[in-house]
Amino acid sequence: QKEVEQNSGPLSVPEGAIASLNCTYSDRVSQSFFWYRQYSGKSPELIMSIYSNGDKEDGRFTAQLNKASQYVSLLIRDSQPSDSATYLCDVRSAGGTSYGKLTFGQGTILTVHP
Amino acid sequence: DAMVIQNPRYQVTQFGKPVTLSCSQTLNHNVMYWYQQKSSQAPKLLFHYYDKDFNNEADTPDNFQSRRPNTSFCFLDIRSPGLGDAAMYLCATSRVGSNEKLFFGSGTQLSVL
Repeated sequence: QKEVEQNSGPLSVPEGAIASLNCTYSDRVSQSFFWYRQYSGKSPELIMSIYSNGDKEDGRFTAQLNKASQYVSLLIRDSQPSDSATYLCDVRSAGGTSYGKLTFGQGTILTVHP
Repeated sequence: DAMVIQNPRYQVTQFGKPVTLSCSQTLNHNVMYWYQQKSSQAPKLLFHYYDKDFNNEADTPDNFQSRRPNTSFCFLDIRSPGLGDAAMYLCATSRVGSNEKLFFGSGTQLSVL
């Protein structure tokens, strides 16, 4: 089993709909969770971070974390064509170092069509 | 603005000819990372520095080396590039103890002829 898995894509939603991106992880001691957005040919940019169970909202984005079930999700409300990108889930585990091991999921390609 | 800068944006090299990619940061972050990203794949961590301590990923080929002469700069050396090394190379930084979110440079797209 991969350490971090994202829902297989590509995901296509109509403009104005809710896009739901999911990520599961295997390491129970994972502590920090990040969602990055990457446009084609560009570097990833951080859009959300979450550290405790529950929901965290930032504008049209909501991150949801459930450590018991070992999943983290990203909801994008009122999806816009400009949201079309690859979304990367980044899970940090407590490793032998103070800053943890870095593990990206394989990414989910989101397309929002008008 | 404080940032992570990668040079050059595009690099072309010949098969087997050593190449160096550079990364600098003005964020004073203590951790610097190098990722390799091939088309339609997620970034793959090659190695990272925590201050001067070098940490190599187990599956990073020996062909890839790195240097960090000071806090601000980090270099990726590819000793004998092969066609399979053509990729986007991403440099990122983070600060230990500040939630460790990654700040990425714009990347260097490497082509091997």
